[in-house]
Amino acid sequence: KNEVEQSPQNLTAQEGEFITINCSYSVGISALHWLQQHPGGGIVSLFMLSSGKKKHGRLIATINIQEKHSSLHITASHPRDSAVYICAVASGAGSYQLTFGKGTKLSVIP
Amino acid sequence: DTGVSQDPRHKITKRGQNVTFRCDPISEHNRLYWYRQTLGQGPEFLTYFQNEAQLEKSRLLSDRFSAERPKGSFSTLEIQRTEQGDSAMYLCASSSPGGYTFGSGTRLTVV
Repeated sequence: KNEVEQSPQNLTAQEGEFITINCSYSVGISALHWLQQHPGGGIVSLFMLSSGKKKHGRLIATINIQEKHSSLHITASHPRDSAVYICAVASGAGSYQLTFGKGTKLSVIP
Repeated sequence: DTGVSQDPRHKITKRGQNVTFRCDPISEHNRLYWYRQTLGQGPEFLTYFQNEAQLEKSRLLSDRFSAERPKGSFSTLEIQRTEQGDSAMYLCASSSPGGYTFGSGTRLTVV
């Protein structure tokens, strides 16, 4: 069983809609990452969180350590936001590797 | 510094051949990682270096796989006697306490 679960797996939205992608994890972590992957493979780091909330432009990421849950929100979605969004956790305890969710494929329709 | 560079971007090879990929991390980052991603899945950890020392290896890294990071700078990942199951995107990343930077990946197709 994957230690990092994302929902939904696929999401289609109309341009302008508010979007939420959820991530749940089962292990203690030192940090949680939200990543964006476009067709062709390159991954861009959006946020690294260990507590609370971060905002960058139209993107907001929140994390609840007690509930082992994080959300990525996109306000006023745009077709250029179409990508796969991946949640990944660093479990700490001397290990720096990331454990990834399977990703959420977002399609924003004009 | 333009980020993490990987070379080549694409590699098609015949089954049984050896292949080698290169990753140039961000120069200030002393940690370097290799991940493998198959279609529809999230990346999976392969191995991790701190400077030139290989500190962690996944069980996914069979005897046919070897990674090096001489002098703690660029890294190479070699796959010997490739199999069709090795077809995947091979991602390199480097990190500092501030976060991770990923390369664009090398897509390997074994035919």
